[in-house]
Amino acid sequence: GAVVSQHPSRVICKSGTSVKIECRSLDFQATTMFWYRQFPKQSLMLMATSNEGSKATYEQGVEKDKFLINHASLTLSTLTVTSAHPEDSSFYICSARVWGAEAFFGQGTRLTVV
Amino acid sequence: QQPVQSPQAVILREGEDAVINCSSSKALYSVHWYRQKHGEAPIFLMILLKGGEQKGHDKISASFNEKKQQSSLYLTASQLSYSGTYFCGTEGTGSSNTGKLIFGQGTTLQVKP
Repeated sequence: GAVVSQHPSRVICKSGTSVKIECRSLDFQATTMFWYRQFPKQSLMLMATSNEGSKATYEQGVEKDKFLINHASLTLSTLTVTSAHPEDSSFYICSARVWGAEAFFGQGTRLTVV
Repeated sequence: QQPVQSPQAVILREGEDAVINCSSSKALYSVHWYRQKHGEAPIFLMILLKGGEQKGHDKISASFNEKKQQSSLYLTASQLSYSGTYFCGTEGTGSSNTGKLIFGQGTTLQVKP
């Protein structure tokens, strides 16, 4: 299957700082990339849909000023958690897909805000 | 709208079969099935695009009833490696379809020796 690389896999940051997470599709050009958040033993909650060269579409209840998404190319999307607080600690996962095909997931990023 | 999966949890012995169901209240364009192990990213199992379509590989297969907005995942002769949490992801139809997948709450499967 296709490869989606997410970096970093783990990050610990201080409260009030910002963290950037990268998501790259290594061997295909993704029509769309998605960002999910997952709490322990819970489902994948869609945060936003990201298309290259356009503004991300955020799901209801997701603060777009807090979770900044940039989709610079067909193979790269970034999520920046701004002014992070302990309640932002979670597992963040990106996925990439070509229209009509399956979605491939990155390895995920475990964010811990202390 | 999040699809509903049932059952929430299943415990099996090696070699036994299991069925996981996924039901949506919205019209669906496709259903995707994934398995996730603890602390890891979800792994793609299969995608179903047409009504009544059935797919399978090895001992895992799935069906999709477009009219009922339901899909089922069939695991036969389960192996220890099948343990994990299974998620269905649904893609809606219409102009609001941006290709996004909305996932069910998950079904935890444990296969014991």
